[in-house]
Amino acid sequence: SQTIHQWPATLVQPVGSPLSLECTVEGTSNPNLYWYRQAAGRGLQLLFYSVGIGQISSEVPQNLSASRPQDRQFILSSKKLLLSDSGFYLCAWKRAGGSPSSGNTIYFGEGSWLTVV
Amino acid sequence: DAKTTQPTSMDCAEGRAANLPCNHSTISGNEYVYWYRQIHSQGPQYIIHGLKNNETNEMASLIITEDRKSSTLILPHATLRDTAVYYCIVRVANFGNEKLTFGTGTRLTIIP
Repeated sequence: SQTIHQWPATLVQPVGSPLSLECTVEGTSNPNLYWYRQAAGRGLQLLFYSVGIGQISSEVPQNLSASRPQDRQFILSSKKLLLSDSGFYLCAWKRAGGSPSSGNTIYFGEGSWLTVV
Repeated sequence: DAKTTQPTSMDCAEGRAANLPCNHSTISGNEYVYWYRQIHSQGPQYIIHGLKNNETNEMASLIITEDRKSSTLILPHATLRDTAVYYCIVRVANFGNEKLTFGTGTRLTIIP
């Protein structure tokens, strides 16, 4: 079966410090990978998605970047954190190809709480 | 993707069926209806999805109206562990990259 791991679970960082959140998926190959952010009291916002190694698409301009150095590894980074970067960050994956009629859907990790102080 | 409208919050007595509505009046023919839920401080959990037929799995049932402009998620026997925020999403069935756009969902509280 497939699993998704995301770490660290919680992080408190000062303004201006760097950030690195890591996500790995096991039990599948060439997955589509996603980073979402959820600000307090709001819905989920898609930040980045990737359909393959080195292929990153950004959904919103921001202080963050993403990288996919390996097939099942997705990293969210920042060189200098802002207070507004605080939130709940979620990594997600989906099996490439297939269709909803075959049960293909997006699955989420447990999330990382980031507090910028 | 089509926009969805859900009530902000709902209560349901433990052991009763919880019926969560969702309006998606602008849904197009190739868009599926998905439901996820998010328990506090955890990642969203997939529940069920459907295109036009009603669907049932071990977690819930999904009832989609004939015109597909609305749907209802049914938790047949709600327990305290079903307290969560429930998200209704519609999306196009792409075979390549795809995105899910989550709104603010319905906060369901199961009352003992």
